[in-house]
Amino acid sequence: DGGITQSPKYLFRKEGQNVTLSCEQNLNHDAMYWYRQDPGQGLRLIYYSQIVNDFQKGDIAEGYSVSREKKESFPLTVTSAQKNPTAFYLCASKLDRVADTQYFGPGTRLTVL
Amino acid sequence: KQEVTQIPAALSVPEGENLVLNCSFTDSAIYNLQWFRQDPGKGLTSLLLIQSSQREQTSGRLNASLDKSSGRSTLYIAASQPGDSATYLCAVKKEWWGGSEKLVFGKGTKLTVNP
Repeated sequence: DGGITQSPKYLFRKEGQNVTLSCEQNLNHDAMYWYRQDPGQGLRLIYYSQIVNDFQKGDIAEGYSVSREKKESFPLTVTSAQKNPTAFYLCASKLDRVADTQYFGPGTRLTVL
Repeated sequence: KQEVTQIPAALSVPEGENLVLNCSFTDSAIYNLQWFRQDPGKGLTSLLLIQSSQREQTSGRLNASLDKSSGRSTLYIAASQPGDSATYLCAVKKEWWGGSEKLVFGKGTKLTVNP
Protein backbone atom coordinates (compact mmCIF):
# COMPACT_ATOMS: atom_id res chain seq x y z
CA ASP A 1 0.00 0.00 0.00
CA GLY A 2 1.50 3.30 -1.08
CA GLY A 3 0.88 6.38 1.00
CA ILE A 4 1.89 8.73 3.75
CA THR A 5 1.90 7.71 7.38
CA GLN A 6 2.07 10.00 10.39
CA SER A 7 2.65 8.93 13.93
CA PRO A 8 1.48 9.14 16.55
CA LYS A 9 -2.17 10.01 15.84
CA TYR A 10 -2.48 11.77 19.21
CA LEU A 11 0.38 13.29 21.19
CA PHE A 12 0.39 14.97 24.56
CA ARG A 13 3.23 17.14 25.72
CA LYS A 14 4.04 18.98 28.86
CA GLU A 15 5.08 22.61 28.59
CA GLY A 16 8.81 22.98 28.06
CA GLN A 17 9.27 19.63 26.33
CA ASN A 18 10.37 19.07 22.76
CA VAL A 19 8.43 16.49 20.76
CA THR A 20 9.02 14.97 17.33
CA LEU A 21 6.25 14.11 14.89
CA SER A 22 6.96 11.41 12.35
CA CYS A 23 6.10 11.54 8.65
CA GLU A 24 7.00 8.70 6.29
CA GLN A 25 6.07 8.18 2.64
CA ASN A 26 6.65 5.26 0.28
CA LEU A 27 5.52 7.11 -2.84
CA ASN A 28 9.06 7.92 -3.94
CA HIS A 29 8.18 11.62 -3.77
CA ASP A 30 10.92 14.23 -3.72
CA ALA A 31 8.97 17.04 -2.07
CA MET A 32 7.53 16.97 1.44
CA TYR A 33 5.63 19.53 3.51
CA TRP A 34 4.50 20.22 7.07
CA TYR A 35 1.32 22.21 7.75
CA ARG A 36 -0.39 23.32 10.90
CA GLN A 37 -4.19 23.53 11.15
CA ASP A 38 -6.02 25.35 13.95
CA PRO A 39 -9.79 25.10 14.50
CA GLY A 40 -11.69 27.03 11.86
CA GLN A 41 -8.47 28.02 10.11
CA GLY A 42 -6.84 27.19 6.84
CA LEU A 43 -3.61 25.25 6.68
CA ARG A 44 -0.41 27.20 7.28
CA LEU A 45 2.95 26.05 5.95
CA ILE A 46 5.64 25.37 8.56
CA TYR A 47 8.52 23.87 6.54
CA TYR A 48 9.00 22.21 3.20
CA SER A 49 11.67 20.16 1.51
CA GLN A 50 12.02 19.80 -2.24
CA ILE A 51 14.83 17.26 -2.12
CA VAL A 52 16.85 15.21 0.33
CA ASN A 53 19.20 17.19 2.58
CA ASP A 54 17.46 20.47 1.73
CA PHE A 55 14.55 22.30 3.37
CA GLN A 56 13.13 25.81 3.58
CA LYS A 57 11.09 27.73 6.12
CA GLY A 58 7.43 28.31 5.46
CA ASP A 59 5.22 31.04 6.89
CA ILE A 60 5.32 29.96 10.54
CA ALA A 61 8.67 28.19 11.10
CA GLU A 62 9.49 29.79 14.46
CA GLY A 63 9.65 27.20 17.23
CA TYR A 64 9.87 24.27 14.81
CA SER A 65 12.72 22.33 13.25
CA VAL A 66 12.96 19.63 10.59
CA SER A 67 15.45 17.30 8.96
CA ARG A 68 15.47 15.49 5.62
CA GLU A 69 18.20 12.88 5.82
CA LYS A 70 16.21 10.27 3.88
CA LYS A 71 13.89 10.70 0.91
CA GLU A 72 11.02 8.90 2.62
CA SER A 73 11.18 10.66 5.98
CA PHE A 74 10.56 14.27 7.06
CA PRO A 75 10.25 14.50 10.87
CA LEU A 76 9.07 17.69 12.54
CA THR A 77 10.27 18.72 16.00
CA VAL A 78 8.09 21.07 17.99
CA THR A 79 10.41 22.83 20.41
CA SER A 80 9.70 24.53 23.71
CA ALA A 81 10.16 27.83 21.87
CA GLN A 82 6.84 27.31 20.06
CA LYS A 83 4.46 29.42 22.14
CA ASN A 84 1.18 27.81 21.17
CA PRO A 85 1.86 24.32 19.82
CA THR A 86 -1.57 22.76 20.40
CA ALA A 87 -2.87 22.08 16.87
CA PHE A 88 -3.46 19.47 14.18
CA TYR A 89 -0.31 18.81 12.15
CA LEU A 90 -0.48 17.55 8.58
CA CYS A 91 2.33 16.19 6.46
CA ALA A 92 2.10 16.11 2.67
CA SER A 93 4.24 15.06 -0.24
CA LYS A 94 4.32 15.40 -4.00
CA LEU A 95 6.29 13.85 -6.80
CA ASP A 96 8.67 16.75 -7.35
CA ARG A 97 8.89 20.53 -7.29
CA VAL A 98 6.82 20.96 -10.46
CA ALA A 99 4.08 18.45 -9.71
CA ASP A 100 0.71 19.94 -8.84
CA THR A 101 -0.99 17.52 -6.48
CA GLN A 102 0.03 17.15 -2.86
CA TYR A 103 -0.94 13.97 -1.05
CA PHE A 104 -1.71 14.32 2.63
CA GLY A 105 -1.15 12.07 5.60
CA PRO A 106 -3.81 11.43 8.26
CA GLY A 107 -2.42 14.02 10.68
CA THR A 108 -1.19 14.18 14.27
CA ARG A 109 -3.12 16.04 16.93
CA LEU A 110 -0.73 17.59 19.45
CA THR A 111 -2.02 18.81 22.80
CA VAL A 112 0.11 20.68 25.30
CA LEU A 113 -0.93 20.03 28.88
CA LYS B 1 -0.34 39.01 0.01
CA GLN B 2 -2.65 36.33 -1.32
CA GLU B 3 -5.78 35.78 0.76
CA VAL B 4 -8.35 33.07 0.16
CA THR B 5 -11.90 33.38 1.47
CA GLN B 6 -14.58 30.71 1.52
CA ILE B 7 -18.25 31.49 1.94
CA PRO B 8 -20.29 30.22 3.65
CA ALA B 9 -18.31 28.89 6.62
CA ALA B 10 -20.98 26.24 7.18
CA LEU B 11 -23.84 24.90 5.13
CA SER B 12 -26.60 22.41 5.96
CA VAL B 13 -28.78 20.98 3.21
CA PRO B 14 -31.26 18.13 2.76
CA GLU B 15 -30.18 15.07 0.83
CA GLY B 16 -30.62 15.35 -2.93
CA GLU B 17 -30.13 19.10 -3.14
CA ASN B 18 -27.69 20.66 -5.58
CA LEU B 19 -25.33 23.11 -3.91
CA VAL B 20 -22.55 25.57 -4.59
CA LEU B 21 -19.52 26.36 -2.46
CA ASN B 22 -17.66 29.59 -3.09
CA CYS B 23 -13.98 30.49 -2.98
CA SER B 24 -12.46 33.89 -3.69
CA PHE B 25 -8.84 35.00 -3.85
CA THR B 26 -7.29 38.45 -3.83
CA ASP B 27 -4.37 38.02 -6.25
CA SER B 28 -5.26 36.72 -9.70
CA ALA B 29 -1.64 35.71 -10.41
CA ILE B 30 -2.21 32.06 -9.58
CA TYR B 31 -0.79 28.91 -11.11
CA ASN B 32 -3.74 26.72 -10.27
CA LEU B 33 -6.59 26.21 -7.81
CA GLN B 34 -7.49 23.02 -5.97
CA TRP B 35 -10.50 21.85 -4.05
CA PHE B 36 -9.90 19.45 -1.17
CA ARG B 37 -12.16 17.45 1.09
CA GLN B 38 -11.37 16.90 4.78
CA ASP B 39 -13.27 14.51 7.02
CA PRO B 40 -13.20 15.23 10.79
CA GLY B 41 -9.80 14.49 12.30
CA LYS B 42 -8.38 13.32 8.95
CA GLY B 43 -6.03 14.55 6.28
CA LEU B 44 -6.99 16.24 3.03
CA THR B 45 -8.05 14.52 -0.17
CA SER B 46 -7.68 16.33 -3.47
CA LEU B 47 -10.98 16.52 -5.39
CA LEU B 48 -10.35 18.72 -8.40
CA LEU B 49 -7.47 20.81 -9.71
CA ILE B 50 -7.98 23.60 -12.24
CA GLN B 51 -5.00 25.08 -14.04
CA SER B 52 -5.01 28.86 -14.47
CA SER B 53 -5.66 28.45 -18.20
CA GLN B 54 -8.74 26.28 -17.63
CA ARG B 55 -12.32 27.31 -16.89
CA GLU B 56 -13.64 24.18 -15.23
CA GLN B 57 -13.04 20.60 -14.21
CA THR B 58 -15.53 17.81 -13.58
CA SER B 59 -15.36 14.59 -11.62
CA GLY B 60 -18.56 12.61 -11.17
CA ARG B 61 -21.09 14.77 -9.32
CA LEU B 62 -18.51 17.52 -8.74
CA ASN B 63 -17.85 20.46 -11.01
CA ALA B 64 -15.37 23.22 -10.23
CA SER B 65 -15.15 26.47 -12.16
CA LEU B 66 -12.49 29.13 -12.18
CA ASP B 67 -12.77 32.80 -13.13
CA LYS B 68 -9.21 33.96 -12.64
CA SER B 69 -9.82 37.58 -13.63
CA SER B 70 -12.49 38.07 -10.97
CA GLY B 71 -10.68 35.92 -8.40
CA ARG B 72 -13.47 33.40 -7.94
CA SER B 73 -14.02 29.67 -8.00
CA THR B 74 -17.10 27.60 -7.29
CA LEU B 75 -17.52 23.95 -6.42
CA TYR B 76 -20.86 22.58 -7.56
CA ILE B 77 -22.09 19.35 -5.96
CA ALA B 78 -25.03 17.70 -7.69
CA ALA B 79 -27.58 15.51 -5.93
CA SER B 80 -25.89 15.75 -2.55
CA GLN B 81 -25.64 12.67 -0.31
CA PRO B 82 -24.99 12.26 3.44
CA GLY B 83 -21.57 10.87 2.54
CA ASP B 84 -20.67 14.27 1.09
CA SER B 85 -20.69 15.72 4.62
CA ALA B 86 -17.19 17.07 5.24
CA THR B 87 -15.20 20.28 5.20
CA TYR B 88 -14.27 21.51 1.75
CA LEU B 89 -11.14 23.61 1.37
CA CYS B 90 -9.90 25.51 -1.62
CA ALA B 91 -6.25 26.39 -2.14
CA VAL B 92 -4.45 28.49 -4.73
CA LYS B 93 -0.92 27.93 -5.90
CA LYS B 94 1.04 31.06 -6.50
CA GLU B 95 2.57 31.40 -9.92
CA TRP B 96 5.70 29.31 -10.07
CA TRP B 97 8.85 31.00 -11.22
CA GLY B 98 11.26 28.17 -10.59
CA GLY B 99 11.88 29.11 -7.01
CA SER B 100 9.79 28.52 -3.97
CA GLU B 101 6.07 27.88 -4.34
CA LYS B 102 3.29 27.25 -1.91
CA LEU B 103 -0.41 26.67 -1.52
CA VAL B 104 -2.55 29.31 0.18
CA PHE B 105 -5.60 27.76 1.80
CA GLY B 106 -9.03 29.09 2.67
CA LYS B 107 -10.59 28.29 6.04
CA GLY B 108 -13.06 25.87 4.50
CA THR B 109 -16.81 25.34 4.27
CA LYS B 110 -18.27 22.71 6.59
CA LEU B 111 -21.00 20.88 4.70
CA THR B 112 -23.68 18.77 6.37
CA VAL B 113 -26.08 16.80 4.19
CA ASN B 114 -29.09 15.62 6.17
CA PRO B 115 -30.81 12.33 5.27
